[in-house]
Amino acid sequence: AQTVTQSQPEMSVQEAETVTLSCTYDTSESDYYLFWYKQPPSRQMILVIRQEAYKQQNATENRFSVNFQKAAKSFSLKISDSQLGDAAMYFCAYRSYLNTGANSKLTFGKGITLSVRP
Amino acid sequence: GAGVSQSPRYKVAKRGQDVALRCDPISGHVSLFWYQQALGQGPEFLTYFQNEAQLDKSGLPSDRFFAERPEGSVSTLKIQRTQQEDSAVYLCASSLQLYTEAFFGQGTRLTVV
Repeated sequence: AQTVTQSQPEMSVQEAETVTLSCTYDTSESDYYLFWYKQPPSRQMILVIRQEAYKQQNATENRFSVNFQKAAKSFSLKISDSQLGDAAMYFCAYRSYLNTGANSKLTFGKGITLSVRP
Repeated sequence: GAGVSQSPRYKVAKRGQDVALRCDPISGHVSLFWYQQALGQGPEFLTYFQNEAQLDKSGLPSDRFFAERPEGSVSTLKIQRTQQEDSAVYLCASSLQLYTEAFFGQGTRLTVV
């Protein structure tokens, strides 16, 4: 079974600064997807960024980028130019690449609460 | 609809009461997932539907939990004889196909007193 670990429960960043959120995972599969989701107080999970394990290039989405280290099973999220609206819980998640219903579920870490100081 | 809709947003149930939580996915989405999110934790998988077929229910914590999606659109998660440990946010997600992006609803916060 796959596991996702987020060991930092909370982080804080000054507005306009850069912050990195850490995530490690464990799997025996060679192909898979990794995600970062944002969950504001409204509780709705919002996809921030996605990485396919077979791609060597790190994914980027505007101010958000990842550092994917497949051998180390590490998947960190970097938020540049932090904004007040970035304050939320952030979850790292794993999904298998296998094409069966049972493997399409997301496995989440425990999350990290990010606060942004004005 | 424009997004995944869940109702009610909040539910308070007395211990032993039965509850039903509704999920209205994005129109045309084939795949539907239910997750349970305890306070301060990440969501955990409960069950998965492809159209009306429940293909995986391995995450349901007990036989008091039951989910259905009879016409392949709206889904209902039912919890019988609720217990305090059932208190959590229940999230629903849908996707167009099995491996396309999953869109989440705002969840139902269940509190069992």
